[in-house]
Amino acid sequence: RKEVEQDPGPFNVPEGATVAFNCTYSNSASQSFFWYRQDCRKEPKLLMSVYSSGNEDGRFTAQLNRASQYISLLIRDSKLSDSATYLCAAPSYNTDKLIFGTGTRLQVFP
Amino acid sequence: DGGITQSPKYLFRKEGQNVTLSCEQNLNHDAMYWYRQDPGQGLRLIYYSQIVNDFQKGDIAEGYSVSREKKESFPLTVTSAQKNPTAFYLCASSIIGGDGYTFGSGTRLTVV
Repeated sequence: RKEVEQDPGPFNVPEGATVAFNCTYSNSASQSFFWYRQDCRKEPKLLMSVYSSGNEDGRFTAQLNRASQYISLLIRDSKLSDSATYLCAAPSYNTDKLIFGTGTRLQVFP
Repeated sequence: DGGITQSPKYLFRKEGQNVTLSCEQNLNHDAMYWYRQDPGQGLRLIYYSQIVNDFQKGDIAEGYSVSREKKESFPLTVTSAQKNPTAFYLCASSIIGGDGYTFGSGTRLTVV
């Protein structure tokens, strides 16, 4: 099993929709998790950090489910500009390096 | 403004040639990382360094070399031993145990 796994998508949603992505992780000792946004041919940029039960920033909500070992990213009222690939990251076993998922692609259409 | 700078943005390499990708940060981060990203794929760790004059191999270090002579700088050399170097290379830095990684804007390397 990969240390961090994501559904690659694509998720195709209309403007205004609510969409959620999940990311499973295998290191049960992980304390911190991250969601990054990556636009086509650009670098990943940190979107949200998740340290405990969750985090909210405007239309974006990240939640952590320790029992089932996954984090989720909820985007409400989707905008065309939300179209991107969303990467999750979690600490690796026995190190403090981050392991990145392969990303979930979101396409918001008019 | 603090940040992490990669250069060049685009690089073309001839077969059998070594090339060096630059990565400089002024965030005072201790740790620096090099990743490779192929089309439609995730980030694969090449090398990382948590302190000056020390670095560790990542998952795909073969055909690559690095140095960390200064805290601010972590150049990556793609050697002729790397048989499939065409990819998007990303450098990142972080505080050890801190709040995620900051990425540079990347170097797109193409073999011609």
